[in-house]
Amino acid sequence: SQTIHQWPATLVQPVGSPLSLECTVEGTSNPNLYWYRQAAGRGLQLLFYSVGIGQISSEVPQNLSASRPQDRQFILSSKKLLLSDSGFYLCAWSVDGREFFGPGTRLTVL
Amino acid sequence: SQQGEEDPQALSIQEGENATMNCSYKTSINNLQWYRQNSGRGLVHLILIRSNEREKHSGRLRVTLDTSKKSSSLLITASRAADTASYFCATPISGGSNYKLTFGKGTLLTVNP
Repeated sequence: SQTIHQWPATLVQPVGSPLSLECTVEGTSNPNLYWYRQAAGRGLQLLFYSVGIGQISSEVPQNLSASRPQDRQFILSSKKLLLSDSGFYLCAWSVDGREFFGPGTRLTVL
Repeated sequence: SQQGEEDPQALSIQEGENATMNCSYKTSINNLQWYRQNSGRGLVHLILIRSNEREKHSGRLRVTLDTSKKSSSLLITASRAADTASYFCATPISGGSNYKLTFGKGTLLTVNP
C-alpha cells in the first residue's frame, strides 16, 4: 500500500534562516505531488505541484521554492524565512483525482 | 481563486444526532470530493462523487450533488465524538496530468458526548 512521509513534524526557525521540508512517497511510481500551506482556521493554499522529476509548477509568488530530485521525493525550501511563512505545511500525492496527504509539518517562524 | 465554500463554518451537535454540511462551487466540475481533517493532522479523503451521480453512500456518510445548483451536501448520520473534525469539500481545477484541487475553508464539526 502507498504511504507518504513528511518530516520534521514540528519546526521552530528564526526569521531569515533557511528551510528544508522533505516529503517522500512509497508504494507508487510517477505520482503527482503537491505542497500546501494551511494558515490557522483557513483552507488549504496550493503552493507547488509536480507531475514528474524536475517538473515544478508554482501557484503563488513567494520566497519558497520546491524541487523534485527523485520520483517519489518532494522538497520545499526557502533561503530566508519570513514571519508570514509560519503555518502548517502539507504534502500530498494523487491518484485518480483523489489526493492523499502526509501528516504535515507545523512551522513557526520567530 | 477559491472554488468551493462550505457552510456552516462551525457546527456543534450532540452524539447520536445527524450532521449536515454544505458546499457550493462556482464553475462546472467533473467530480467533487469531501475530506476530513482532525486537529493538527493531514487531510483524509472521504468520498468522491462524479458529476453524473446524484447521491453516494459510504458507511454513515451520505453525499449529494446538485449540479444545477452547483452545490453538494455531506450528511453524517448517528454522529460520534470521534467525528469531531474539520470537513472540506474540494473540486478539480483542471484535468489531465496537471490535476489540481481547490479546497474550501472547511466546516468545523464538534460532536459533544
